[in-house]
Amino acid sequence: DGGITQSPKYLFRKEGQNVTLSCEQNLNHDAMYWYRQDPGQGLRLIYYSQIVNDFQKGDIAEGYSVSREKKESFPLTVTSAQKNPTAFYLCASSIGRGRLGYGYTFGSGTRLTVV
Amino acid sequence: DAKTTQPPSMDCAEGRAANLPCNHSTISGNEYVYWYRQIHSQGPQYIIHGLKNNETNEMASLIITEDRKSSTLILPHATLRDTAVYYCIVRVDSNYQLIWGAGTKLIIKP
Repeated sequence: DGGITQSPKYLFRKEGQNVTLSCEQNLNHDAMYWYRQDPGQGLRLIYYSQIVNDFQKGDIAEGYSVSREKKESFPLTVTSAQKNPTAFYLCASSIGRGRLGYGYTFGSGTRLTVV
Repeated sequence: DAKTTQPPSMDCAEGRAANLPCNHSTISGNEYVYWYRQIHSQGPQYIIHGLKNNETNEMASLIITEDRKSSTLILPHATLRDTAVYYCIVRVDSNYQLIWGAGTKLIIKP
């Protein structure tokens, strides 16, 4: 079955450390997205990519970095510059730019806790 | 701005129809309305979307007013497993982003 796989499900990080969250999809989707969710709130866009080797900042990109070297993969690095990284991180994909009317498929999320 | 307004919470009795309202008064002509739901600590799940006409699938129905300024998601026979946060989202077509609000927490009661 096609879908999006995020790993790990839970992640603990010491202050000052960088950490990378994995996101892989086998849906042949062009576009991929990273969202952050804090308790009781909606999703906020961190970064998105419409095509391989290209990505754009979302609303809260500071302290995060991404790469898109392969269509299937869109890893997110939470750097030490992110002041409050403890949150639930969600990866999503969609068919892509110019294809209105198509929904997004989400992964099951990674819960990051800074200890 | 989320571009949509939803009540923060609603209750519904098991077996009854759950009607979840959403206001999107600033929606533009080619913006779709999407509905997703999120069960606690999971990724959001797509439910349905529409542009102008009412839509129905195996999960729900979507009723969009003629002026497109509001819509209602209908779960025809709610079960306890429908307890979740329901998000009404208007897609921003200029950069293809979804803008998420806080959603409606729907609690199905036995």
